[in-house]
Amino acid sequence: DAGVTQSPTHLIKTRGQQVTLRCSPKSGHDTVSWYQQALGQGPQFIFQYYEEEERQRGNFPDRFSGHQFPNYSSELNVNALLLGDSALYLCASSWTSGVQETQYFGPGTRLLVL
Amino acid sequence: DAKTTQPTSMDCAEGRAANLPCNHSTISGNEYVYWYRQIHSQGPQYIIHGLKNNETNEMASLIITEDRKSSTLILPHATLRDTAVYYCIVRVTNSGYALNFGKGTSLLVTP
Repeated sequence: DAGVTQSPTHLIKTRGQQVTLRCSPKSGHDTVSWYQQALGQGPQFIFQYYEEEERQRGNFPDRFSGHQFPNYSSELNVNALLLGDSALYLCASSWTSGVQETQYFGPGTRLLVL
Repeated sequence: DAKTTQPTSMDCAEGRAANLPCNHSTISGNEYVYWYRQIHSQGPQYIIHGLKNNETNEMASLIITEDRKSSTLILPHATLRDTAVYYCIVRVTNSGYALNFGKGTSLLVTP
C-alpha cells in the first residue's frame, strides 16, 4: 500500500517565477492538506482540499493556490515567488468520511528560491 | 484548538524508555491528543492519538492523565533511529481542522 507521494523532491526557482508541486494521497484517502515548513520551524497549514474544493485555509496570501483532481491527487501552485517562500512543502492526506481524520504526511518537496 | 507546552529538548540513552511530556491544560472535552515525530528533513510521521484512555500501538504508548490536562508519550526502548522532533498536538477530530504544530521536543537518543 503506497503512502503519500510528492513530486518533485527538490526544486530551485528564481524570484518572480511560478511553481507547481504535486501530491498523490494514500490509497483510500480523499482529503489533501498542504503545509509549509521553514527551516527550524514547525509546519504551517496552508490549505485543505476535499471534494475538489478548498474547504479550509491558513494565513497565506492568494499567491498560494491549489487544486484537487477527481482521483484525489492535488497540486499546490505558488505565483510570484519570494525568497521567503523557500521551505519544505508537505502534503498530508486523510479520510474525511472516516471516524478519525488522522493525517499522514509525504516526504515533502524542498523549494529553494534564489 | 487547545495550546500545548512541551520541553524544548530531551536526552535518552539507547535501550531506555523515553518519556516525552506534554501539557494541554486548556483541552476541551472533544479534543484529541495527537503525537507526530519528524526525523531531520523528512515528513512528519504519525505516532499515536487518544481521547482519554491510555493507548498503545507498535510504536509507542500514550498516557493521558485523568483530568486530561497533560499526557506522556512513551517510547519503551529508544533506539538511535528515534532521534527526532516530537510534536504534541491537540485537535478536534472529524472537523477538517488543520494540525497546529508548535515547536515540539527535540529528542536525542545517545549510544
